[in-house]
Amino acid sequence: GAVVSQHPSWVICKSGTSVKIECRSLDFQATTMFWYRQFPKQSLMLMATSNEGSKATYEQGVEKDKFLINHASLTLSTLTVTSAHPEDSSFYICSASGKLAGGSDTQYFGPGTRLTVL
Amino acid sequence: AQSVTQPDIHITVSEGASLELRCNYSYGATPYLFWYVQSPGQGLQLLLKYFSGDTLVQGIKGFEAEFKRSQSSFNLRKPSVHWSDAAEYFCAVGAGGGNKLTFGTGTQLKVEL
Repeated sequence: GAVVSQHPSWVICKSGTSVKIECRSLDFQATTMFWYRQFPKQSLMLMATSNEGSKATYEQGVEKDKFLINHASLTLSTLTVTSAHPEDSSFYICSASGKLAGGSDTQYFGPGTRLTVL
Repeated sequence: AQSVTQPDIHITVSEGASLELRCNYSYGATPYLFWYVQSPGQGLQLLLKYFSGDTLVQGIKGFEAEFKRSQSSFNLRKPSVHWSDAAEYFCAVGAGGGNKLTFGTGTQLKVEL
């Protein structure tokens, strides 16, 4: 149980275009999902917290107009990188918070999406 | 503010040797502590977590970690390392499993055959 998928796993786009990344919890419902960004050989930096049916909460320094987050259902959150530029190239990872039977709330991570902006 | 320190950026051990990865945290209340492992180009897999109770927690793949409140530490251990354990290991702290996590900078584990 507790599988989180991301799509696409990798994407290459031209500068100025927008890219949408999907994060799905496959076998549990997640009221909260998180979006992280990871640069090569570095740790994960939280970008925003996504709650189903409400606006996302962005971390300080993250441009909410550039990184649009939508959490339309209990199993799906999307991150759209608008007007992407080469400096947005990174590894984007989502996580979904869920409570499996008999367990406690835990974050389960997706496999990540590698974004390369040319 | 919460923070996590992983003092060792790289660690190399021989296959079959024991392993200890260090993690120190700063948190104002009772912390929820996690260890995750990441293989190259992959997402994170939860190894184990500590919320309360027994301070020695067992995880998957033969890993265990001990919570020591007096030392603000949550070190990860494994008695005998396998070559497949080579990966990046992250310690994280949060207010709860469903709350945002703060990650350490990670420790890259290399296993010599």
